[in-house]
Amino acid sequence: DQQVKQNSPSLSVQEGRISILNCDYTNSMFDYFLWYKKYPAEGPTFLISISSIKDKNEDGRFTVFLNKSAKHLSLHIVPSQPGDSAVYFCAVISSGSARQLTFGSGTQLTVLP
Amino acid sequence: GAGVSQSPRYKVAKRGQDVALRCDPISGHVSLFWYQQALGQGPEFLTYFQNEAQLDKSGLPSDRFFAERPEGSVSTLKIQRTQQEDSAVYLCASSSAQGGYTFGSGTRLTVV
Repeated sequence: DQQVKQNSPSLSVQEGRISILNCDYTNSMFDYFLWYKKYPAEGPTFLISISSIKDKNEDGRFTVFLNKSAKHLSLHIVPSQPGDSAVYFCAVISSGSARQLTFGSGTQLTVLP
Repeated sequence: GAGVSQSPRYKVAKRGQDVALRCDPISGHVSLFWYQQALGQGPEFLTYFQNEAQLDKSGLPSDRFFAERPEGSVSTLKIQRTQQEDSAVYLCASSSAQGGYTFGSGTRLTVV
């Protein structure tokens, strides 16, 4: 019973184009939605988040969209750069939890020069 | 320190051996979390400390797994009688009271 699903294990995008990473969740009680980026042999690093009361949050080249009715989260990266190549995890925090994160299985993004 | 430090970076254990994984959180961070990341999967929650108190250990997969944080700083995750399914990257993260997580680079455990 995966609460957070990333159905695309990999994505390849040309440099300069838009990367769109998707995430679906099952529980409408989640408070915060986050995206983490992970390079090989390193821990995940926080990228961007969105509260459940918003539908969009933007930070430079990164924008996260939240569609609560569809229980769907997406991360847009534009323009994509080769240094963006990494595994991207979406994660959620439940209301009332000890702020533990529940992660999706990740999407490997490859940005081709 | 500047970040969350985990040691060792890599550990190979023979099946049945006990292992201990160490996490040095960011100084002053109250909360400390352990996660297990199997190959091709996202990190999965194991346990949570607030200072020295272990407030949630619901993610520990069996009673062979034990974690402690006796002085509210350094934490150790111990796995007794390791089995092949314990092979994974073990990630530690710490956070301040209202801050975000900072993850360490993890310990890659391989049980042979």
